[in-house]
Amino acid sequence: DSGVTQTPKHLITATGQRVTLRCSPRSGDLSVYWYQQSLDQGLQFLIQYYNGEERAKGNILERFSAQQFPDLHSELNLSSLELGDSALYFCASSVSQGNAGNTIYFGEGSWLTVV
Amino acid sequence: DAKTTQPPSMDCAEGRAANLPCNHSTISGNEYVYWYRQIHSQGPQYIIHGLKNNETNEMASLIITEDRKSSTLILPHATLRDTAVYYCIVRPQSNSNSGYALNFGKGTSLLVTP
Repeated sequence: DSGVTQTPKHLITATGQRVTLRCSPRSGDLSVYWYQQSLDQGLQFLIQYYNGEERAKGNILERFSAQQFPDLHSELNLSSLELGDSALYFCASSVSQGNAGNTIYFGEGSWLTVV
Repeated sequence: DAKTTQPPSMDCAEGRAANLPCNHSTISGNEYVYWYRQIHSQGPQYIIHGLKNNETNEMASLIITEDRKSSTLILPHATLRDTAVYYCIVRPQSNSNSGYALNFGKGTSLLVTP
């Protein structure tokens, strides 16, 4: 158990809909990262937040957005869903005290199926 | 970030050492080598990381060549549960408190056989 908690574990929704994925980082971790893993794309970095502020963006679509709240949990919002958005979405977190503490730990993911 | 090259797949007999190579010939002096693994559809699991020196923990050993252009992850006594995709990632040393995200490649699919 990495200590990173993601909900829901599984989600099925229709095209055009909007969903929210939730992530609770490990206790004390200030950085949160979101990744997408689909069969044909591998693990793709989407976005990073640190202590409530956006710090880095990867291959995140404009239909997707994220935020990190004062209690440090994070949400990934996916809207106008398409079949191709079906994937595993991982959240990860890290401490922010130098390099030894920057190891990133991953949650078990949220399976999203768009039908 | 420096690019890494790993063999797409490897086999290893149960109980033997699994030696997974990684080439990172363009690595720069401030970049760490990280290893993660992903057992089918589970979250990536941190294994070990290093800068210049060899490292060992309860899961594995990491051997980094003196010129830092390649490294080897060693699982000393592979078990069936070690069957997974192993990712070698080069990551810059963080100069901020927020750290850098990991960029995953395709990794090496390790199959441990009975």
